[in-house]
Amino acid sequence: DADVTQTPRNRITKTGKRIMLECSQTKGHDRMYWYRQDPGLGLRLIYYSFDVKDINKGEISDGYSVSRQAQAKFSLSLESAIPNQTALYFCATRHSPNTEAFFGQGTRLTVV
Amino acid sequence: QKEVEQNSGPLSVPEGAIASLNCTYSDRGSQSFFWYRQYSGKSPELIMFIYSNGDKEDGRFTAQLNKASQYVSLLIRDSQPSDSATYLCAVFWYSGGGADGLTFGKGTHLIIQP
Repeated sequence: DADVTQTPRNRITKTGKRIMLECSQTKGHDRMYWYRQDPGLGLRLIYYSFDVKDINKGEISDGYSVSRQAQAKFSLSLESAIPNQTALYFCATRHSPNTEAFFGQGTRLTVV
Repeated sequence: QKEVEQNSGPLSVPEGAIASLNCTYSDRGSQSFFWYRQYSGKSPELIMFIYSNGDKEDGRFTAQLNKASQYVSLLIRDSQPSDSATYLCAVFWYSGGGADGLTFGKGTHLIIQP
């Protein structure tokens, strides 16, 4: 089993719908991140969290919200999906400063 | 805003040759640097990290860091078709409020020609 698991892996939704992407990890890391990846734009940080009481906006947080339900779970929500939120979304975890990020398998989201 | 710049490519290299991938960063205080490989539609996976000026070798891969020039590179020796992928440079950042993370470049698409 993967150490960082994202669900769903693929999702097609309609404009205006609410959707939640989930991430769970078994690595015991405190740091969790949500990124989106678009062709030609690389990985951009949406939100990050260092514990269940700590939520921080990244560079592109508008239109998104997150919830850190437990140390191991970090969910990303799109309250009202729009087509330009079509992208590949990655959850990542890190153990401590100066350490690498471990990525989930990704969720391919299409908003029609 | 911390910037990490990479040439998007594609960079085409013959099989067996050395592939050289470059990255520059804007924050002079950056301390650690990571190279990830990403196959199309898959998640990034770590190849190497480097903290100190100079070279660090791991198998066919060598990371090079020059903090004075704010430059990081990745060399791939004896390139194989399986090395064809997008290579992401990532730089560690730390904010005064205790937050930290990685900023990624947009990646360089590498193609190894058989």
